[in-house]
Amino acid sequence: DAKTTQPNSMESNEEEPVHLPCNHSTISGTDYIHWYRQLPSQGPEYVIHGLTSNVNNRMASLAIAEDRKSSTLILHRATLRDAAVYYCIEGGATNKLIFGTGTLLAVQP
Amino acid sequence: GAGVSQTPSNKVTEKGKYVELRCDPISGHTALYWYRQSLGQGPEFLIYFQGTGAADDSGLPNDRFFAVRPEGSVSTLKIQRTERGDSAVYLCASSSGTSNTEAFFGQGTRLTVV
Repeated sequence: DAKTTQPNSMESNEEEPVHLPCNHSTISGTDYIHWYRQLPSQGPEYVIHGLTSNVNNRMASLAIAEDRKSSTLILHRATLRDAAVYYCIEGGATNKLIFGTGTLLAVQP
Repeated sequence: GAGVSQTPSNKVTEKGKYVELRCDPISGHTALYWYRQSLGQGPEFLIYFQGTGAADDSGLPNDRFFAVRPEGSVSTLKIQRTERGDSAVYLCASSSGTSNTEAFFGQGTRLTVV
């Protein structure tokens, strides 16, 4: 079973920032936090991952709590193309990903 | 190829038949994963290959499901005596194999058992 907890759905307006929360209170010290997203009728797509420090890439930022029990994926300016299911996953050394049901993000124009 | 390729994209089969689903990973990727996804659910892990060997097959639901990767590249997921409950999208992913690296997913094969 997935070990992370996410809200079932969230809504955002286009051009506004989006903060997607994730709880992973039982994460081990060596497991990374991975985020993937899945657009309709497509396979999941990597977004970002991190261990302890906050991470930035061209798609998003990942803010990790100091105790590592939660994290937040930040989309700085949501677009209609960002409408997807976002999955937060604890990842171990084998890259085996255990998906939960994720957060369905709706973006309103 | 540029990405993970899965064939066929759609497969309709009759209950009780045998099916094979193919995955072509990104060239050079040593790790390969199979998942299946039912409507409204997240992908469910089935099996993971490192090279030619199945490093973790704990997600295979029963002995009707089997996967191979004989030369460490292309993989085939085989389902015997298909049941209507096997209907789902079967996803394949590959990664470079080093820990905590990005996994690249294919578009999936939609299997429908009638």
